[in-house]
Amino acid sequence: DAGVTQSPTHLIKTRGQHVTLRCSPISGHKSVSWYQQVLGQGPQFIFQYYEKEERGRGNFPDRFSARQFPNYSSELNVNALLLGDSALYLCASRSPGTGGIDEQFFGPGTRLTVL
Amino acid sequence: TQLLEQSPQFLSIQEGENLTVYCNSSSVFSSLQWYRQEPGEGPVLLVTVVTGGEVKKLKRLTFQFGDARKDSSLHITAAQPGDTGLYLCAATGFQKLVFGTGTRLLVSP
Repeated sequence: DAGVTQSPTHLIKTRGQHVTLRCSPISGHKSVSWYQQVLGQGPQFIFQYYEKEERGRGNFPDRFSARQFPNYSSELNVNALLLGDSALYLCASRSPGTGGIDEQFFGPGTRLTVL
Repeated sequence: TQLLEQSPQFLSIQEGENLTVYCNSSSVFSSLQWYRQEPGEGPVLLVTVVTGGEVKKLKRLTFQFGDARKDSSLHITAAQPGDTGLYLCAATGFQKLVFGTGTRLLVSP
Protein backbone atom coordinates (compact mmCIF):
# COMPACT_ATOMS: atom_id res chain seq x y z
CA ASP A 1 0.00 0.00 0.00
CA ALA A 2 1.22 3.49 -0.82
CA GLY A 3 2.00 5.82 2.02
CA VAL A 4 1.30 9.51 2.10
CA THR A 5 2.40 11.10 -1.17
CA GLN A 6 3.24 14.74 -1.77
CA SER A 7 3.99 16.74 -4.87
CA PRO A 8 6.12 18.36 -5.99
CA THR A 9 9.18 17.20 -4.08
CA HIS A 10 11.03 20.46 -4.61
CA LEU A 11 9.90 23.90 -5.66
CA ILE A 12 11.65 27.22 -6.19
CA LYS A 13 9.61 30.43 -6.21
CA THR A 14 10.31 34.12 -5.93
CA ARG A 15 8.93 36.57 -3.40
CA GLY A 16 5.35 37.59 -4.03
CA GLN A 17 4.46 34.49 -6.02
CA HIS A 18 1.83 31.94 -5.14
CA VAL A 19 2.36 28.22 -4.56
CA THR A 20 0.12 25.14 -4.37
CA LEU A 21 1.31 21.98 -2.67
CA ARG A 22 -0.54 18.67 -2.97
CA CYS A 23 -1.00 15.69 -0.71
CA SER A 24 -2.66 12.31 -1.03
CA PRO A 25 -3.33 10.50 2.26
CA ILE A 26 -3.04 6.82 2.93
CA SER A 27 -6.01 4.96 1.49
CA GLY A 28 -8.83 4.94 4.02
CA HIS A 29 -7.52 7.90 6.02
CA LYS A 30 -9.98 10.78 6.06
CA SER A 31 -7.90 13.33 7.97
CA VAL A 32 -5.02 15.35 6.58
CA SER A 33 -2.78 17.77 8.44
CA TRP A 34 -0.16 20.20 7.16
CA TYR A 35 3.02 21.17 8.97
CA GLN A 36 5.82 23.62 8.20
CA GLN A 37 9.36 22.63 9.14
CA VAL A 38 11.96 25.35 8.97
CA LEU A 39 15.54 24.12 8.72
CA GLY A 40 16.87 23.07 12.11
CA GLN A 41 13.49 23.11 13.86
CA GLY A 42 10.64 20.77 14.59
CA PRO A 43 7.50 20.85 12.43
CA GLN A 44 4.84 23.43 13.24
CA PHE A 45 1.15 22.76 12.76
CA ILE A 46 -0.60 24.73 10.01
CA PHE A 47 -3.97 23.06 9.30
CA GLN A 48 -5.99 19.95 9.89
CA TYR A 49 -8.84 18.83 7.65
CA TYR A 50 -11.34 16.06 8.22
CA GLU A 51 -14.14 15.15 5.87
CA LYS A 52 -13.38 18.26 3.80
CA GLU A 53 -13.82 20.62 6.74
CA GLU A 54 -11.14 22.61 8.55
CA ARG A 55 -10.86 21.22 12.06
CA GLY A 56 -7.80 23.07 13.29
CA ARG A 57 -5.56 25.96 12.37
CA GLY A 58 -2.15 26.94 13.67
CA ASN A 59 -0.68 30.37 14.15
CA PHE A 60 -0.10 31.19 10.49
CA PRO A 61 -1.19 34.27 8.51
CA ASP A 62 -4.16 34.33 6.17
CA ARG A 63 -1.76 33.95 3.24
CA PHE A 64 -1.90 30.27 4.08
CA SER A 65 -5.02 28.36 3.07
CA ALA A 66 -5.93 24.78 2.38
CA ARG A 67 -8.74 22.57 1.26
CA GLN A 68 -9.62 18.90 1.16
CA PHE A 69 -11.29 17.17 -1.75
CA PRO A 70 -13.96 14.42 -1.81
CA ASN A 71 -11.23 11.81 -2.34
CA TYR A 72 -9.56 13.15 0.86
CA SER A 73 -6.54 14.54 -0.97
CA SER A 74 -5.56 18.05 0.03
CA GLU A 75 -3.94 21.21 -1.25
CA LEU A 76 -2.01 23.81 0.70
CA ASN A 77 -1.89 27.26 -0.87
CA VAL A 78 0.45 30.06 0.09
CA ASN A 79 0.02 33.54 -1.40
CA ALA A 80 2.42 36.47 -1.55
CA LEU A 81 5.42 34.32 -0.70
CA LEU A 82 8.03 35.67 1.68
CA LEU A 83 11.62 34.56 2.10
CA GLY A 84 10.65 33.18 5.51
CA ASP A 85 8.21 30.76 3.90
CA SER A 86 11.17 28.69 2.74
CA ALA A 87 10.75 25.37 4.51
CA LEU A 88 9.85 21.72 4.22
CA TYR A 89 6.07 21.37 4.08
CA LEU A 90 4.87 18.10 5.49
CA CYS A 91 1.53 16.45 5.03
CA ALA A 92 0.28 13.82 7.47
CA SER A 93 -2.71 11.55 7.35
CA ARG A 94 -4.28 10.26 10.51
CA SER A 95 -5.42 6.87 11.64
CA PRO A 96 -7.20 6.35 14.94
CA GLY A 97 -4.84 4.31 17.05
CA THR A 98 -5.45 2.00 19.96
CA GLY A 99 -6.79 3.54 23.12
CA GLY A 100 -7.99 6.57 21.22
CA ILE A 101 -4.47 7.84 20.51
CA ASP A 102 -4.28 8.99 16.94
CA GLU A 103 -1.28 8.08 14.85
CA GLN A 104 -0.15 10.40 12.12
CA PHE A 105 1.78 9.18 9.11
CA PHE A 106 3.91 11.73 7.33
CA GLY A 107 4.74 12.13 3.69
CA PRO A 108 8.25 12.95 2.46
CA GLY A 109 7.45 16.64 2.24
CA THR A 110 7.79 19.38 -0.34
CA ARG A 111 10.93 21.48 -0.05
CA LEU A 112 9.96 25.08 -0.91
CA THR A 113 12.67 27.64 -1.54
CA VAL A 114 11.66 31.29 -1.90
CA LEU A 115 14.26 33.56 -3.52
CA THR B 1 1.26 27.56 23.98
CA GLN B 2 2.96 24.30 24.88
CA LEU B 3 6.71 24.40 24.54
CA LEU B 4 8.70 21.22 24.29
CA GLU B 5 12.41 21.63 24.75
CA GLN B 6 14.76 18.88 23.71
CA SER B 7 18.34 18.40 24.79
CA PRO B 8 20.91 18.15 23.58
CA GLN B 9 20.26 19.93 20.29
CA PHE B 10 23.06 18.05 18.59
CA LEU B 11 24.93 14.88 19.49
CA SER B 12 27.86 13.33 17.66
CA ILE B 13 29.03 9.95 18.95
CA GLN B 14 30.92 6.85 17.87
CA GLU B 15 29.28 3.58 17.00
CA GLY B 16 28.71 1.45 20.11
CA GLU B 17 28.22 4.34 22.53
CA ASN B 18 25.08 4.88 24.58
CA LEU B 19 23.11 8.12 24.62
CA THR B 20 20.05 9.75 26.13
CA VAL B 21 17.87 12.45 24.63
CA TYR B 22 15.53 14.49 26.81
CA CYS B 23 12.20 16.18 26.14
CA ASN B 24 10.95 18.61 28.78
CA SER B 25 8.00 20.91 29.31
CA SER B 26 6.21 22.78 32.05
CA SER B 27 2.89 21.39 30.78
CA VAL B 28 1.24 18.06 31.50
CA PHE B 29 0.52 15.89 28.48
CA SER B 30 -2.08 13.22 27.96
CA SER B 31 0.40 11.38 25.76
CA LEU B 32 3.70 11.95 24.03
CA GLN B 33 5.19 10.54 20.88
CA TRP B 34 8.75 10.13 19.59
CA TYR B 35 9.60 10.38 15.91
CA ARG B 36 12.78 9.93 13.88
CA GLN B 37 13.29 11.94 10.72
CA GLU B 38 15.96 11.22 8.15
CA PRO B 39 17.11 13.75 5.54
CA GLY B 40 14.62 14.17 2.71
CA GLU B 41 11.90 12.27 4.52
CA GLY B 42 9.02 12.97 6.85
CA PRO B 43 9.06 12.00 10.53
CA VAL B 44 8.37 8.35 11.31
CA LEU B 45 6.59 7.43 14.53
CA LEU B 46 8.70 5.33 16.91
CA VAL B 47 6.51 5.11 19.99
CA THR B 48 3.60 6.60 21.91
CA VAL B 49 3.72 6.81 25.71
CA VAL B 50 0.55 7.44 27.64
CA THR B 51 0.90 6.54 31.31
CA GLY B 52 3.09 8.46 33.77
CA GLY B 53 6.17 6.40 34.55
CA GLU B 54 5.66 4.20 31.52
CA VAL B 55 8.71 2.58 29.94
CA LYS B 56 8.64 1.17 26.44
CA LYS B 57 11.41 -0.66 24.62
CA LEU B 58 11.93 -0.90 20.90
CA LYS B 59 15.00 -3.08 20.27
CA ARG B 60 17.94 -0.88 21.41
CA LEU B 61 15.69 2.14 22.11
CA THR B 62 14.13 2.70 25.53
CA PHE B 63 11.49 5.38 26.01
CA GLN B 64 10.31 6.69 29.35
CA PHE B 65 7.44 9.00 30.24
CA GLY B 66 7.94 11.03 33.41
CA ASP B 67 5.77 10.29 36.44
CA ALA B 68 4.17 13.73 36.18
CA ARG B 69 3.75 13.38 32.40
CA LYS B 70 5.73 16.57 31.78
CA ASP B 71 8.89 15.02 30.41
CA SER B 72 10.22 12.06 28.50
CA SER B 73 13.52 10.50 27.57
CA LEU B 74 14.87 8.32 24.81
CA HIS B 75 17.87 6.11 25.53
CA ILE B 76 19.76 4.34 22.77
CA THR B 77 22.07 1.48 23.65
CA ALA B 78 25.04 0.66 21.46
CA ALA B 79 24.24 3.26 18.82
CA GLN B 80 24.71 2.35 15.18
CA PRO B 81 25.22 4.57 12.11
CA GLY B 82 21.67 3.68 11.07
CA ASP B 83 20.42 5.54 14.15
CA THR B 84 21.59 8.82 12.63
CA GLY B 85 18.77 11.28 12.20
CA LEU B 86 16.64 13.97 13.80
CA TYR B 87 14.76 12.77 16.87
CA LEU B 88 11.58 14.66 17.67
CA CYS B 89 9.26 14.42 20.62
CA ALA B 90 5.69 15.54 20.09
CA ALA B 91 2.80 16.17 22.42
CA THR B 92 -0.53 14.96 21.15
CA GLY B 93 -3.00 17.79 21.37
CA PHE B 94 -6.49 18.36 20.06
CA GLN B 95 -6.34 17.80 16.32
CA LYS B 96 -2.60 18.44 16.13
CA LEU B 97 0.88 17.51 17.25
CA VAL B 98 3.13 19.99 19.02
CA PHE B 99 6.72 19.10 18.23
CA GLY B 100 9.82 19.67 20.27
CA THR B 101 12.88 21.51 19.05
CA GLY B 102 14.56 18.27 17.94
CA THR B 103 17.85 16.48 18.63
CA ARG B 104 20.10 15.81 15.69
CA LEU B 105 22.10 12.61 16.21
CA LEU B 106 25.15 11.63 14.20
CA VAL B 107 26.63 8.19 14.78
CA SER B 108 30.00 7.66 13.14
CA PRO B 109 31.39 4.20 12.31
